[in-house]
Amino acid sequence: NAGVTQTPKFQVLKTGQSMTLQCAQDMNHNSMYWYRQDPGMGLRLIYYSASEGTTDKGEVPNGYNVSRLNKREFSLRLESAAPSQTSVYFCASSEQGDTEAFFGQGTRLTVV
Amino acid sequence: QQPVQSPQAVILREGEDAVINCSSSKALYSVHWYRQKHGEAPVFLMILLKGGEQKGHDKISASFNEKKQQSSLYLTASQLSYSGTYFCGIPGHSGYALNFGKGTSLLVTP
Repeated sequence: NAGVTQTPKFQVLKTGQSMTLQCAQDMNHNSMYWYRQDPGMGLRLIYYSASEGTTDKGEVPNGYNVSRLNKREFSLRLESAAPSQTSVYFCASSEQGDTEAFFGQGTRLTVV
Repeated sequence: QQPVQSPQAVILREGEDAVINCSSSKALYSVHWYRQKHGEAPVFLMILLKGGEQKGHDKISASFNEKKQQSSLYLTASQLSYSGTYFCGIPGHSGYALNFGKGTSLLVTP
């Protein structure tokens, strides 16, 4: 069972470059999320999608955009990467809001 | 709003007990607990719901005090495999996405 799949696993970007982090889930979940994890900061919510066709900002949305392409896929785009966006990014999904969330293996992004 | 966890870190010997606390400044309707091992993704442990219902792990227990707006995770007779960082999460204002605390690092030594 694949669960939640994120690509790529590692990425190095130069300041100002753009990229899209991909996330797909095969559990037919309605809700999907993007978090970033920095040392000592825990998991901070960037954006979420409660259901197909909807997206909403989380705690730290600045510098990011998202697309809920279909029920399975939820992508995160960095339009102009900055060193402050160096982090580990986790995608997660759940059947609905207040249920068990399943996390992908993460993308380690370094912006130089 | 981010819940507050305590302690930040704890070191145990195998077989000892630990309690991790999670508190919120707003009313709680549910609390989620996750564990993350180094270099891995967070993994679900349990959900505690208003009214006392608990869903999840069978070897780790937790309490949920609505009045005090806090939850506690109880790790009894700890095993080496319990090592990791524990996060509590509470639904945001939308009721959907979780806001997580900064985590509690637990190390169980032989």
